[in-house]
Amino acid sequence: DVKVTQSSRYLVKRTGEKVFLECVQDMDHENMFWYRQDPGLGLRLIYFSYDVKMKEKGDIPEGYSVSREKKERFSLILESASTNQTSMYLCASSLYAGEETQYFGPGTRLLVL
Amino acid sequence: QKEVEQDPGPLSVPEGAIVSLNCTYSNSAFQYFMWYRQYSRKGPELLMYTYSSGNKEDGRFTAQVDKSSKYISLFIRDSQPSDSATYLCAMSGRSGYSTLTFGKGTMLLVSP
Repeated sequence: DVKVTQSSRYLVKRTGEKVFLECVQDMDHENMFWYRQDPGLGLRLIYFSYDVKMKEKGDIPEGYSVSREKKERFSLILESASTNQTSMYLCASSLYAGEETQYFGPGTRLLVL
Repeated sequence: QKEVEQDPGPLSVPEGAIVSLNCTYSNSAFQYFMWYRQYSRKGPELLMYTYSSGNKEDGRFTAQVDKSSKYISLFIRDSQPSDSATYLCAMSGRSGYSTLTFGKGTMLLVSP
């Protein structure tokens, strides 16, 4: 079974803090994705990566950056957290470009005060 | 017009009912269609995957795709309280990076 893990289930941060969300997958998947999920807005793609050190902007990249130094790990960085970044953050991975099925982690609920 | 439309519900049914969940879409390039199930405060898990038009059955679940109408459905037979969750449709037509376009999800409540 594919396993996607996220470093924290719940996080509380202060406005202006730098926040790191970590995601690890154990199935040698090439593609990794970061989404945020908000009531009424659904899942929105922030960034994705199709290879080590490669990244592509999704639909809502503003205020976020990412890092992928190793194939299995994909980090989402909030450079200066703001209250409108309070959300559920979901990481996903898929085997390779052209393989559509994505596997999700359990999510991180981030509260920015 | 939104790319993928999905009724948010909630859809409330008694145990044992047949449930029909649906999505419509506007992009005729979509070829890959998925249904995800998401329990409260958990990540989505893949339920069904279909390519192009047709039906696919897996146990109590049947996925249907009608590309001519740009309409996909998920049927759940003999629904159980454990089926209570939010169901997300997702689709893709692009080659290359394999990004998905998601519906906003339908909340299903199955009462005992």
